[in-house]
Amino acid sequence: DGGITQSPKYLFRKEGQNVTLSCEQNLNHDAMYWYRQDPGQGLRLIYYSQIVNDFQKGDIAEGYSVSREKKESFPLTVTSAQKNPTAFYLCASRPQGATGELFFGEGSRLTVL
Amino acid sequence: GDSVTQMEGPVTLSEEAFLTINCTYTATGYPSLFWYVQYPGEGLQLLLKATKADDKGSNKGFEATYRKETTSFHLEKGSVQVSDSAVYFCALPSNSGYALNFGKGTSLLVTP
Repeated sequence: DGGITQSPKYLFRKEGQNVTLSCEQNLNHDAMYWYRQDPGQGLRLIYYSQIVNDFQKGDIAEGYSVSREKKESFPLTVTSAQKNPTAFYLCASRPQGATGELFFGEGSRLTVL
Repeated sequence: GDSVTQMEGPVTLSEEAFLTINCTYTATGYPSLFWYVQYPGEGLQLLLKATKADDKGSNKGFEATYRKETTSFHLEKGSVQVSDSAVYFCALPSNSGYALNFGKGTSLLVTP
């Protein structure tokens, strides 16, 4: 079945460590997104990519990095520079021309100890 | 920039009660409007949408009407079920047009 796969589902890390969250889609969608979800704050956009080898910062990109080397993959690295990384991270994709209709993965919960 | 404001939760209802979750938007022009739902431990999924003023989106017994006079897109359901317990997000396209801006979400708990 087509969809978006995020891994790992749960991740613990120590302060000062970088961690990479995986996002893979087999929907053949051009655009991919990373959002961060915190209780009571809704979703905030971290990065997005419209095509391979191109990506743009969202509203809260500081302390994060991404790459888009393949259409199917859009990994997110949470660096040690991110001051408050504990959150639920959601990856999404969008087919070309479908304004606003995002397809989401099941999320990755990162806890910094 | 363009944004949505949702009523704060949590909202607790008994099964078969009527549901309204308020959403108002601030935007230039008349953007498409969306409601997404997030069940516990999962990602978001599109519930319904409306692409122009006066449109009504509907799905799974939920409805929302795009009202430009009141800049609103309130979500309604005539008779909620326990399985409707989830967090509901109102959304509209970002200024760039490439992403979505979401409201803060409204948590709904339906009790038997």
